[in-house]
Amino acid sequence: DVKVTQSSRYLVKRTGEKVFLECVQDMDHENMFWYRQDPGLGLRLIYFSYDVKMKEKGDIPEGYSVSREKKERFSLILESASTNQTSMYLCASRSPSGSRVRSGELFFGEGSRLTVL
Amino acid sequence: AQSVTQLGSHVSVSEGALVLLRCNYSSSVPPYLFWYVQYPNQGLQLLLKYTSAATLVKGINDFEAEFKKSETSFHLTKPSAHMSDAAEYFCAVSRTGGGNKLTFGTGTQLKVEL
Repeated sequence: DVKVTQSSRYLVKRTGEKVFLECVQDMDHENMFWYRQDPGLGLRLIYFSYDVKMKEKGDIPEGYSVSREKKERFSLILESASTNQTSMYLCASRSPSGSRVRSGELFFGEGSRLTVL
Repeated sequence: AQSVTQLGSHVSVSEGALVLLRCNYSSSVPPYLFWYVQYPNQGLQLLLKYTSAATLVKGINDFEAEFKKSETSFHLTKPSAHMSDAAEYFCAVSRTGGGNKLTFGTGTQLKVEL
């Protein structure tokens, strides 16, 4: 089974702090994603990476950056955390090759709940 | 642009009753559609997916969904609800162009009562 691991389940940070959210997948997937989940808004795509060192902005990239130095690891960075970034962050991965390519199945981590005070 | 609308942010059913969660999509091209489930304190898991092979799609745990082009719908059903089905359910559509990213609906919280 695919395993997507997010390093921190719960974080509490202060306004202005730099925050790193780490995500590791063990299935050699090229594509990795960061979503933000808020009640009543569903999941919104922050950033997407289709290969090492390749990234693409999603729908709500403002205030975030990402890093993909190795295939298995995709990091989300909040340069200066703000209270409106308090949310659940979900990482996902998907392989673009084989039968699942066009089906678009995503494998999700368990999420990182960030509170910014 | 592709989008999905989930009608009803909260649905409550009795154990053993039919589950019906509604999803309508908007797409200018034939879409790929998905239902994901999120149990408390967990990430999302794929329940089922529609990729144009068959209009009635069967998923895990006896869930199924029917693609109806005329109604632009992809409603999720289960004949008999179980307490363990209590979770949040998300409908999603695959976007065209670049990366096959998914657009998710706002979610429906399913409550199952005794």
